[in-house]
Amino acid sequence: ELKVEQNPLFLSMQEGKNYTIYCNYSTTSDRLYWYRQDPGKSLESLFVLLSNGAVKQEGRLMASLDTKARLSTLHITAAVHDLSATYFCAVEEVRSGYALNFGKGTSLLVTP
Amino acid sequence: DTGVSQNPRHKITKRGQNVTFRCDPISEHNRLYWYRQTLGQGPEFLTYFQNEAQLEKSRLLSDRFSAERPKGSFSTLEIQRTEQGDSAMYLCASSLVITGELFFGEGSRLTVL
Repeated sequence: ELKVEQNPLFLSMQEGKNYTIYCNYSTTSDRLYWYRQDPGKSLESLFVLLSNGAVKQEGRLMASLDTKARLSTLHITAAVHDLSATYFCAVEEVRSGYALNFGKGTSLLVTP
Repeated sequence: DTGVSQNPRHKITKRGQNVTFRCDPISEHNRLYWYRQTLGQGPEFLTYFQNEAQLEKSRLLSDRFSAERPKGSFSTLEIQRTEQGDSAMYLCASSLVITGELFFGEGSRLTVL
């Protein structure tokens, strides 16, 4: 069974600081996705990482994928309050028609 | 709006009643997925369709749950004889086979009293 583990699960950080969220998964996969969820809202796609070594950046967020280590990172640069949300990584599970298997999420709170 | 649409957005029901949720995917997407999300957890896969065929069901999907996608367009998820443990957000997502990226609807929140 594919397992996806994120850490930390909760993160409180000050505005202007940098931090990294880690996502480990238990089986071979070349595709990894990052989503953002605001309270009471649905999931918004942030990044699609399709191969080993993939790196994508959008604003203050940068995601990378190391398929050999089965590890993805989401790096936050100079955090601002608007980044407060829950961030999920998700890995495709082939046996479920490439349905995404999600981690438990990292709840991020950026404070002044 | 050409995104994934779900309704109703909120449903409150008494234990033992049946409920049905509807999902209208992005029109050109041939895959449709149902997920369930409880507070503080990530979405959990329930089932998926490719066109009208239901190709995979999670063991989370008990006999009280049934999903359909007639004609490969919209989908319905019915829960019979609801239990308090069914209280959750039910999320629908769609995708193109090629890209795999899932696009989620706003969800249908179920509260079973």
